[in-house]
Amino acid sequence: QSALTQPPSASGSPGQSVTISCTGTRSDVGGYNSVSWYQQHPGKAPKLIIYEVINRPSGVPDRFSGSKSGNTASLTVSGLQAEDEADYYCSSYASSNNYVFGTGTKVTVL
Amino acid sequence: EVQVLESGGGLVQPGGSLRLSCVGSGFTFSNFAMNWVRQAPGKGLEWVSGITGRGGDTYYAASVEGRFTISRDNAKNTLYLQMNSLRAEDTALYYCAKFLASGWPAGASEIWGQGTMVTVSS
Repeated sequence: QSALTQPPSASGSPGQSVTISCTGTRSDVGGYNSVSWYQQHPGKAPKLIIYEVINRPSGVPDRFSGSKSGNTASLTVSGLQAEDEADYYCSSYASSNNYVFGTGTKVTVL
Repeated sequence: EVQVLESGGGLVQPGGSLRLSCVGSGFTFSNFAMNWVRQAPGKGLEWVSGITGRGGDTYYAASVEGRFTISRDNAKNTLYLQMNSLRAEDTALYYCAKFLASGWPAGASEIWGQGTMVTVSS
């Protein structure tokens, strides 16, 4: 099972929006609505911020939103804040009964 | 507070074995599938293995199939990962994580521990 493809980096100024893509295949992202997104600050454990493509866990700001079209899922962070600077990973359930993570995207707040 | 806490990491020689443990608290352990995710130093996340809430079904990444065994003792609220025939490429921080659901697929990993480091080196 190959890792999902994410851009290595993304950036934006405070208050702007940044969108991260996550590209897979019909066997993972395109085949299931089981796409999730995780935020990881340096030296910390990942934190779930989006599940089932569009849903936010309790406590996650509505600045974070998810979507999916075909084999590509996306995470949008609106109104960027300094604390949003982190690594972001997508994940999807796959037809092999496994889960697969994305390659990760480092978001920089300029 | 819902949390999971890993232990059991350490330094092991290539070909050796290690057993990781993960204790869950603040939730009904048997009602949720669990999984292990690892992160090599400076690298991304890699899903390793998962198990349903009652422990009847287990799943593995191709990279560890046949070498690692996931199990759970719901009476002790504990998840395990038995790692055999360890290789240098297994060196990573191993996270235990609670899924949102009991069955499979189990949704997203809702709660993560802080990880336990496994180093495979001679």
